[in-house]
Amino acid sequence: GAVVSQHPSRVICKSGTSVKIECRSLDFQATTMFWYRQFPKQSLMLMATSNEGSKATYEQGVEKDKFLINHASLTLSTLTVTSAHPEDSSFYICSALGGEEIENIQYFGAGTRLSVL
Amino acid sequence: AQKVTQAQTEISVVEKEDVTLDCVYETRDTTYYLFWYKQPPSGELVFLIRRNSFDEQNEISGRYSWNFQKSTSSFNFTITASQVVDSAVYFCALSQWGTYKYIFGTGTRLKVLA
Repeated sequence: GAVVSQHPSRVICKSGTSVKIECRSLDFQATTMFWYRQFPKQSLMLMATSNEGSKATYEQGVEKDKFLINHASLTLSTLTVTSAHPEDSSFYICSALGGEEIENIQYFGAGTRLSVL
Repeated sequence: AQKVTQAQTEISVVEKEDVTLDCVYETRDTTYYLFWYKQPPSGELVFLIRRNSFDEQNEISGRYSWNFQKSTSSFNFTITASQVVDSAVYFCALSQWGTYKYIFGTGTRLKVLA
């Protein structure tokens, strides 16, 4: 149990285009999901906290208009990188917060590697 | 301020050796959670253990064991008889009770050589 699916696993796009990344909790409901960014050989940087039915909470320094987050259901959150540029190239990982039955642990997706040309 | 320190950037061991990964944390909270995750080359973080601040019992799960000591603010992770499949980056994390946001350490890259 506690499986989180993230799609796509890899995306290559041209500069100026928008990219949408999906994060789904497959076997549990997640009122809260998190989006992270990870640079090579570095730790995870929290970008935002996504709550179902409400606006996401962004960490300091993260542009909300650049990284649009939508959490429309208890099992799906999406991150859209708008007008992507080469500096947005990175590894993006989502996590879903398990409910009481799985002790409020974050379960992570497999990540999306974004390359902007 | 909350902080997690994993001083070991990279460790290399030969298969079957035991290895301990260190984690030291800082927090002013009296109630908190500590975690360990494994990130293999595929990228997905795999949950290994959660420990709350009230429970200082050590835990063993197969070849894995964890030593939590509040007196030294440490939550160390030991792999016994390491295997090549243990090669990964291991992250220690701290979570404030009630917020569920994690503060990650910088990770320790473990290489187990055959």
